[in-house]
Amino acid sequence: AQSVAQPEDQVNVAEGNPLTVKCTYSVSGNPYLFWYVQYPNRGLQFLLKYITGDNLVKGSYGFEAEFNKSQTSFHLKKPSALVSDSALYFCAVRDPGYNKLIFGAGTRLAVHP
Amino acid sequence: DTGVSQNPRHKITKRGQNVTFRCDPISEHNRLYWYRQTLGQGPEFLTYFQNEAQLEKSRLLSDRFSAERPKGSFSTLEIQRTEQGDSAMYLCASSPTDRGGHSPLHFGNGTRLTVT
Repeated sequence: AQSVAQPEDQVNVAEGNPLTVKCTYSVSGNPYLFWYVQYPNRGLQFLLKYITGDNLVKGSYGFEAEFNKSQTSFHLKKPSALVSDSALYFCAVRDPGYNKLIFGAGTRLAVHP
Repeated sequence: DTGVSQNPRHKITKRGQNVTFRCDPISEHNRLYWYRQTLGQGPEFLTYFQNEAQLEKSRLLSDRFSAERPKGSFSTLEIQRTEQGDSAMYLCASSPTDRGGHSPLHFGNGTRLTVT
């Protein structure tokens, strides 16, 4: 069965510092991995995805994520956080044998001035 | 690309009433998904359509829930005899048909249901 874990309910970081939001996954085959961001009372916005190839993928708004197969992780990163990055972040996985995304519980990112 | 549109944005209903939500996907997208999100949780998959065919339903989708996509364009999600536990954000998403499963889902802003 597919599953996603986001071990941190909340991540606090000072503006200008690097940020990391953690994600680990479990699938039966090679995973397709996604990150989404959600602002209050809004739907989810796609940030980036890993399908195959380079383990470091770059996405919107300066975010990037690193796929690590041995650790079954797909952590979201940004070199320099902005206050406007404060939002809810969701990691999601799709097993290639299925047509639906499975989401983690989300991590709230708070960037302080 | 006008995005995925959901109506209404908010719905307050009394327990036992029926409610219906509408989703208009991005026009060229063949796949349409419904998810439910409760406070502090990630979206939970409910069902998805390929054109007008409903191809998968979650066990979460009790017999009080029904979804349709009659002409392969817009979709409706109906909840009959609502219960307080149905209170949640109902999210619709669409994506193009993609054999590889690479395409991200495009989400609407959701319909927030409150059952009193």
